[in-house]
Amino acid sequence: KAGVTQTPRYLIKTRGQQVTLSCSPISGHRSVSWYQQTPGQGLQFLFEYFSETQRNKGNFPGRFSGRQFSNSRSEMNVSTLELGDSALYLCASSLPEGGANTEAFFGQGTRLTVV
Amino acid sequence: GDSVTQMEGPVTLSEEAFLTINCTYTATGYPSLFWYVQYPGEGLQLLLKATKADDKGSNKGFEATYRKETTSFHLEKGSVQVSDSAVYFCALSANFGNEKLTFGTGTRLTIIP
Repeated sequence: KAGVTQTPRYLIKTRGQQVTLSCSPISGHRSVSWYQQTPGQGLQFLFEYFSETQRNKGNFPGRFSGRQFSNSRSEMNVSTLELGDSALYLCASSLPEGGANTEAFFGQGTRLTVV
Repeated sequence: GDSVTQMEGPVTLSEEAFLTINCTYTATGYPSLFWYVQYPGEGLQLLLKATKADDKGSNKGFEATYRKETTSFHLEKGSVQVSDSAVYFCALSANFGNEKLTFGTGTRLTIIP
């Protein structure tokens, strides 16, 4: 069974540009969550999508957005990039059942560097 | 809001030493608790979990018990190996259709042969 796949693995962008990151969840998983990992702030929740709907959102500015497609694949977009957006972006998928949490499976992440 | 407080690192131990990494949490209701491990250049892997009070999660020699009275979920291993060197994260999830994980700051563990 294939794991969570994130593309690309590495990305270098210039300040002011925008970027789109992609996440393919494990087959059958309907929930996809995104996290930002930085040395200073640690792991912070960005948002979660379930059945193409954003179900939960963290405290990030509107420059950070996402979406989920009917096949559960998800993308996140960051517009007007700032140096502080440099981070490892992690995607996790899970199969919620009846409200009880199940294991979240993480991808290897996309390392974004803004110069 | 929900929060996780985790023992500061880094932690350096000799092989076969006993390991404890402390984790306490603040949450409303009855969260699920997790320990995740991150190896260099990798994403996070679930190490163990517990979904209700007094549950003990265990995997690969690691154990943690969900203690509601002390709001704690300390990670322990009786004899660590060099291959256990990694960053360990304690996390909670509020349940009830909310897949958001709240993480602690992480503890970097280095095991010396």
